[in-house]
Amino acid sequence: GENVEQHPSTLSVQEGDSAVIKCTYSDSASNYFPWYKQELGKGPQLIIDIRSNVGEKKDQRIAVTLNKTAKHFSLHITETQPEDSAVYFCAPTGANSKLTFGKGITLSVRP
Amino acid sequence: GAVVSQHPSRVICKSGTSVKIECRSLDFQATTMFWYRQFPKQSLMLMATSNEGSKATYEQGVEKDKFLINHASLTLSTLTVTSAHPEDSSFYICSATTSGRADTQYFGPGTRLTVL
Repeated sequence: GENVEQHPSTLSVQEGDSAVIKCTYSDSASNYFPWYKQELGKGPQLIIDIRSNVGEKKDQRIAVTLNKTAKHFSLHITETQPEDSAVYFCAPTGANSKLTFGKGITLSVRP
Repeated sequence: GAVVSQHPSRVICKSGTSVKIECRSLDFQATTMFWYRQFPKQSLMLMATSNEGSKATYEQGVEKDKFLINHASLTLSTLTVTSAHPEDSSFYICSATTSGRADTQYFGPGTRLTVL
């Protein structure tokens, strides 16, 4: 099965700085790469995703980059704000459409 | 668009009783719904996958007789935890996909189950 790792496990940044969270996966058949944001006591929210035929995708302050050769994809958040504080999960997906969640990274944005 | 709701948001029950959790897609027809369980400070673990009108497919280690899943319509799936015990206390989250993008899952807000 898919082995998913997220680094680092926690990340603290100053408001206004950028944050980068990396996700590595093992299944070369994975073809869909979403990032989810989960706030305390809530369900995960899809914030950005990318497919294997694209190397980078951007949506305002959030971007995702994919390196299929190295089997990793990263979430980039620019101009961080306190409301960006949450747990972020990557969940690479293969042909069976099942998400395999990483352990999550806790991002703290200091005001 | 793509809003998923769950009911109830919180439930407390006595050990040995059964609890039903509903998952609804509010503005789209969900071809497939998924049920996850999340323990505190841990990741989401897939319990089962259900397609409308079919029997659910359970992940290894998940007891199908304990976690009954019914997906009677394209907008509603239910999870019933039968004979609940304290170790079943967890955060249960459903998700749904549309036929257009089968791999994009939209999650509900979750249901906090506490078994006393």
